[in-house]
Amino acid sequence: NAGVTQTPKFRVLKTGQSMTLLCAQDMNHEYMYWYRQDPGMGLRLIHYSVGEGTTAKGEVPDGYNVSRLKKQNFLLGLESAAPSQTSVYFCASRTQETFFGQGTRLTVV
Amino acid sequence: QKEVEQDPGPLSVPEGAIVSLNCTYSNSAFQYFMWYRQYSRKGPELLMYTYSSGNKEDGRFTAQVDKSSKYISLFIRDSQPSDSATYLCAMSGRPLTGGGNKLTFGTGTQLKVEL
Repeated sequence: NAGVTQTPKFRVLKTGQSMTLLCAQDMNHEYMYWYRQDPGMGLRLIHYSVGEGTTAKGEVPDGYNVSRLKKQNFLLGLESAAPSQTSVYFCASRTQETFFGQGTRLTVV
Repeated sequence: QKEVEQDPGPLSVPEGAIVSLNCTYSNSAFQYFMWYRQYSRKGPELLMYTYSSGNKEDGRFTAQVDKSSKYISLFIRDSQPSDSATYLCAMSGRPLTGGGNKLTFGTGTQLKVEL
């Protein structure tokens, strides 16, 4: 049972480049989330989804887009990366308890 | 002002000590309170989940909620080096079941238990 798997684990981007972070869960969870974690700021919600085909904005959505075409996958896109998006990104899914992935460390230079 | 305040530490204690970790909050709508443990370079994992005021015990861990003071605590008895991690409090105005539930996290307290 893999739980929540994030791809990639590490990435360095140049300013203006784009990329997609993939989250996959094998627990048949309806609800999925993308957070970013920054020193002194804690975990902040970027976007979330309450089911296949649905997405909604969280606390800090600007500069990010998401898609939930399949129930098990939740993709986070950065269209034009900025240094302010340097962070550790966590995907999570849940029914009652929230399960987190291992995180993606993204550096934008 | 942040909705949830948590001292970042670091907090260093000797093995076997009783550890007290705390969060304060300002939103009186919060009803559901959680503690997560996060090891270095890992994702958070749920430790304790409590509803409204009162205490909940699970092994060496006790979660305490005082809604009148808007203050929650996590106590760790007989602390072990394996307890060294960052502890995050989280809270919500809705139960964990149900769609659209969003958690508000504290910034985390880094704990080190030394031999």
